[in-house]
Amino acid sequence: ETGVTQSPTHLIKTRGQQVTLRCSSQSGHNTVSWYQQALGQGPQFIFQYYREEENGRGNFPPRFSGLQFPNYSSELNVNALELDDSALYLCASSSPRVETQYFGPGTRLLVL
Amino acid sequence: KQEVTQIPAALSVPEGENLVLNCSFTDSAIYNLQWFRQDPGKGLTSLLLIQSSQREQTSGRLNASLDKSSGRSTLYIAASQPGDSATYLCAVYGSGYSTLTFGKGTMLLVSP
Repeated sequence: ETGVTQSPTHLIKTRGQQVTLRCSSQSGHNTVSWYQQALGQGPQFIFQYYREEENGRGNFPPRFSGLQFPNYSSELNVNALELDDSALYLCASSSPRVETQYFGPGTRLLVL
Repeated sequence: KQEVTQIPAALSVPEGENLVLNCSFTDSAIYNLQWFRQDPGKGLTSLLLIQSSQREQTSGRLNASLDKSSGRSTLYIAASQPGDSATYLCAVYGSGYSTLTFGKGTMLLVSP
């Protein structure tokens, strides 16, 4: 059974650029959630996708957007990057029958 | 809005000590509560999941308790080891168990 994977592991961008982060969910899971973890903070919920539809969103601006594909993998897109977007971005997969979320290793984004 | 607080923010103990990490949440209408471990720069490793109908869970040297009525959970680590050094995060699932609200974590250092 393959766990949750994320790519890339690290990324450096400059202010104003756009970035796409990718996540492959664990086998059998149809729900993907994205979290942002700033340094020294707990993860903050960005949004969740269930069967290719957005199923909930945290307090993040519209420049944070996402997609989920038919194989349940997912992308997180961030436009017009700001310095405060520098963080570890975590992806978690789950399914309605599973009472926990399984996290990937994260993507470390640095915005200069 | 659910808020999760973890005390202490940091803890340093000598090897062999028993210790308790505390977690409190403001809205008792939670579905499940989960404790995670995070090593520096890494993703999250699930330690214990306590369902809302349960009062505690145990795994090896770890024991977690849940008191929904008072909005509290504790993680007890017995006979601490240097390998236990990490940040410990408490997170609660809302009533739909679809998303997690995290505390900021307790950074634990166990010295030999």
